[in-house]
Amino acid sequence: QKEVEQNSGPLSVPEGAIASLNCTYSDRVSQSFFWYRQYSGKSPELIMSIYSNGDKEDGRFTAQLNKASQYVSLLIRDSQPSDSATYLCAVKPGRGSTLGRLYFGRGTQLTVWP
Amino acid sequence: DVKVTQSSRYLVKRTGEKVFLECVQDMDHENMFWYRQDPGLGLRLIYFSYDVKMKEKGDIPEGYSVSREKKERFSLILESASTNQTSMYLCASSLEGNQETQYFGPGTRLLVL
Repeated sequence: QKEVEQNSGPLSVPEGAIASLNCTYSDRVSQSFFWYRQYSGKSPELIMSIYSNGDKEDGRFTAQLNKASQYVSLLIRDSQPSDSATYLCAVKPGRGSTLGRLYFGRGTQLTVWP
Repeated sequence: DVKVTQSSRYLVKRTGEKVFLECVQDMDHENMFWYRQDPGLGLRLIYFSYDVKMKEKGDIPEGYSVSREKKERFSLILESASTNQTSMYLCASSLEGNQETQYFGPGTRLLVL
């Protein structure tokens, strides 16, 4: 069983702060990693993808990947109340036929207060 | 933009009814997926399909079946709905490829009475 673990939260930060969301995974040969944002009552939407070690920045979002530690994180700079949502980490395994399957963590609920 | 649509946003059914949930994607994606999402349990994969007429069981297939007669359409069938199938059902699709991710439809909130 391929496991993806996230700190369940809830995580609460003030407006303007940096929110840090963490995810670990069990399959050492996983190769693709994704962060989704899900607002209450809505479906998940992709916000970041990362495939190689290091940082990847997109606006206020930075994804960080460390394959040796089997760890991926999402940093949200200058957090806004509109960032309040549940963030899902998803991992695509690298070995064998997975037929496009992703393994999801249970999500971290983030609240940004004004 | 990828577009994944689901036939209903809200559905109310009675125990024992046969329920059809339909999903359509317009981006010629090979892979399609059905999940259910419940508070505290996260997303759980029910079934997925990697080609027309092909299907694979996910983690919780019991009580469900699927049909994929055309590439763009993937149906989830509850043969005899039960109250424990009350949930949010999410469809997703993706291209084949190591770096390809999934795109979700808006979801169907199903209530079984």
